[in-house]
This record gives sequence, C-alpha cells and structure tokens, in this order.
Amino acid sequence: GAVVSQHPSWVICKSGTSVKIECRSLDFQATTMFWYRQFPKQSLMLMATSNEGSKATYEQGVEKDKFLINHASLTLSTLTVTSAHPEDSSFYICSARAGSLRDTQYFGPGTRLTVL
Amino acid sequence: AQKITQTQPGMFVQEKEAVTLDCTYDTSDPSYGLFWYKQPSSGEMIFLIYQGSYDQQNATEGRYSLNFQKARKSANLVISASQLGDSAMYFCAMREGPGRGKLQFGAGTQVVVTP
Repeated sequence: GAVVSQHPSWVICKSGTSVKIECRSLDFQATTMFWYRQFPKQSLMLMATSNEGSKATYEQGVEKDKFLINHASLTLSTLTVTSAHPEDSSFYICSARAGSLRDTQYFGPGTRLTVL
Repeated sequence: AQKITQTQPGMFVQEKEAVTLDCTYDTSDPSYGLFWYKQPSSGEMIFLIYQGSYDQQNATEGRYSLNFQKARKSANLVISASQLGDSAMYFCAMREGPGRGKLQFGAGTQVVVTP
C-alpha cells in the first residue's frame, strides 16, 4: 500500500516552455501532497504544500507564479513549471500524506527536469 | 537554524555488519514525529521507520531500528546485517506538531556497503 506515482520520470524541454508534472496517490486518498526540489548531492527542499480543493501554500522564496500547483482531486496534484529556464533544471519529487497517526509521507519516484 | 542534523556525510560499512547513522533534532514542540528515508541512486525516497515523540519503545522494522534518546534529542538509525542493496543516501526527517505538519530533512548520510 501507500504507492505514489509521478509522471513523467524525466523531461527535457527548451527554455521558455512550460512543463507539467503529475503526482498521483494510487491506493489511498491524500488530502495533502507536498512538492520538493532536490539538487545533486543535496537534501530535499520543500517548495509547497498542496491541499485538495484549496490554494497551495508556498515556502518562502518559491515563486508561486512560476511553480503552479493544482490539487484537483484526492489522488492527483500537478506542478507546472512555467517559462522554464536552465536554472529550473532539477529533480522534483512529490509526496502524499497518508491519513494516519503517523502522518507518514510517501514519495513518488521523482521527475528529472532538464531545461536546455 | 538547522532543525535536523546529520553529522556523517558518508560512511563505508562491510557487508553483514551493523551500521549506525546519527541524527539529532531540535524542537520545543512536545509532539513530533521522526522519520528515516532511504534514497537509492534511482532517486525514489523509501520510507523506512517512524518514531513518535510519545512512543515509549524504540521503533523497529525488520533490519532497521531507531535508537530514540529523547533527552539527548537523538534518533539514530541502526541497520543490522548490512546488505549490498543498502547502499544509498539516508535522510532523517522531523515533523513538528501532532499532524499535518511538513517534514524537515537533514543533509543526509551516504552509505556504501562493501563486500
């Protein structure tokens, strides 16, 4: 149980284009999903918290107009990187919180974005 | 200020031996949760073990155990009988509050298991 999928697993795009990444909880409902960014050899950096049916909460320093988050259902959240630039190249990973006392977050396999 | 500290950037361990990964945390909230995740080179984050601040006993999950020392604010992960497949990055994380809180991650420890 507690499987989270992410699509695509990797994407290469041209500078100026937008890229959408999907995060799905496959076998449980997730009222809250999280989006992280990870640079090579570094830890995960939380970008935003995505709540079903409401606006996402962004961490300080994260541009909400650049990283659009939509949590359309209890099993799907999307991250759109708008007008991507080479500095947006990174590993993006989502997680979904399973409703339990533990409040454990289960992670997707991640999406590697390369902007040329 | 850093809430989660992992002081070991990397370590080698021989196959079949046990290894301890250090993690200290900082919080004034009496209710919190501590997590360990494994990240192989493929990138996915794999949940390993959880310890709640009010749990009386140390958590165990198969070959993973958590040495929880509340007064010292440490939550070390012990991997027994290391296997080659244990080679990965290991992250300690903390969630403050009784729930709904976000995770804060440590810098991670790279473990390499040698034959």
